[in-house]
Amino acid sequence: GESVGLHLPTLSVQEGDNSIINCAYSNSASDYFIWYKQESGKGPQFIIDIRSNMDKRQGQRVTVLLNKTVKHLSLQIAATQPGDSAVYFCAENIMGQAGTALIFGKGTTLSVSS
Amino acid sequence: GAVVSQHPSWVICKSGTSVKIECRSLDFQATTMFWYRQFPKQSLMLMATSNEGSKATYEQGVEKDKFLINHASLTLSTLTVTSAHPEDSSFYICSAGKFVSDTQYFGPGTRLTVL
Repeated sequence: GESVGLHLPTLSVQEGDNSIINCAYSNSASDYFIWYKQESGKGPQFIIDIRSNMDKRQGQRVTVLLNKTVKHLSLQIAATQPGDSAVYFCAENIMGQAGTALIFGKGTTLSVSS
Repeated sequence: GAVVSQHPSWVICKSGTSVKIECRSLDFQATTMFWYRQFPKQSLMLMATSNEGSKATYEQGVEKDKFLINHASLTLSTLTVTSAHPEDSSFYICSAGKFVSDTQYFGPGTRLTVL
């Protein structure tokens, strides 16, 4: 089923601020999590992923935190820029199950004002 | 990175006609591809899992006779919307991964408008 949980449908920030987007997942068996960015009229773009044996992973300006105890995932964007404005989706999967599809959360619209 | 393309990027058709959408993995082979549908301001909803050389697996509520999926090769899957109606108007997106359980990379999507 669809992951639903702690998330804000919209988040507005000023350019230069740090943004935090939250997501809760429902399947305790999920062991692979991905954040995607989707701009209007385009397909989802991979941002960063994390496996369940980790609780933190950093990329360029982005950090994903995973709390398996409460089944919570967050995406932190440092020094948010206008180009970061988009809808952000978390997705979960179960590694090792061949051909399993991602389950997407509802998404958070990030609006960055300059 | 892995590149997935879709064709066409948008299509407008009359009610009752059929429309074929192609999904290609350009620089890798994909045993499994996935088809999603996305309505405005909503999340992606999985329609079906497309397996090369075998029948697709459809999600509950998705009519397999209406949404025909063919995965003839390791780099191409097609979705045909048969006898399209206005309620089929949506954004159709495919995804593929290099391995059976790996990060999925998405195509740019196809906007279908049925008049």
